[in-house]
Amino acid sequence: AQRVTQPEKLLSVFKGAPVELKCNYSYSGSPELFWYVQYSRQRLQLLLRHISRESIKGFTADLNKGETSFHLKKPFAQEEDSAMYYCALSGGFTGRRALTFGSGTRLQVQP
Amino acid sequence: EAGVAQSPRYKIIEKRQSVAFWCNPISGHATLYWYQQILGQGPKLLIQFQNNGVVDDSQLPKDRFSAERLKGVDSTLKIQPAKLEDSAVYLCASSPRGGGITDTQYFGPGTRLTVL
Repeated sequence: AQRVTQPEKLLSVFKGAPVELKCNYSYSGSPELFWYVQYSRQRLQLLLRHISRESIKGFTADLNKGETSFHLKKPFAQEEDSAMYYCALSGGFTGRRALTFGSGTRLQVQP
Repeated sequence: EAGVAQSPRYKIIEKRQSVAFWCNPISGHATLYWYQQILGQGPKLLIQFQNNGVVDDSQLPKDRFSAERLKGVDSTLKIQPAKLEDSAVYLCASSPRGGGITDTQYFGPGTRLTVL
């Protein structure tokens, strides 16, 4: 079975502080991991996927298969980063291709 | 490029009534998904279509939910009869291919259903 756990419902930081949104997954095969973001009054949209290995809006995420984690990080938070963040998993070619989402973490960046 | 369209945006019904939601995916996208998002939870897949065939409906409560994708384009999701626990946002998404790491899902604005 595919499962994604985001342990924090709310993360509040000050502008300029580092951010780490935690994501742990459970999957027996080779997972494909994503971070989706939903800004206020906007649609859910893809932020980044683990194979891209690039920084999007200053965010990065590294897949750690040993710890089954895919934490999202940003060294210096900005107020415009305030949003709902969802970690998601796809089972790849041998599993469910559609996304299994975590319950989400709301990031609040205070001025 | 127009995004995924959904209607209605909001719907309030009483339990045991029927309701239908409509989705128009991005033109040319082969795969269409319906997700249910209950307050405080992440989206949960209900059904996945590739063109007009069902790929995955393992989490669809088939005793009350049904979905179809006519001609591999638009899709409708129906609930009959509705229960209180069906109150949720119903999200439609589409992607160019069949899912996976190189495929991007584009989401619609959702339909917020309230069952009284």
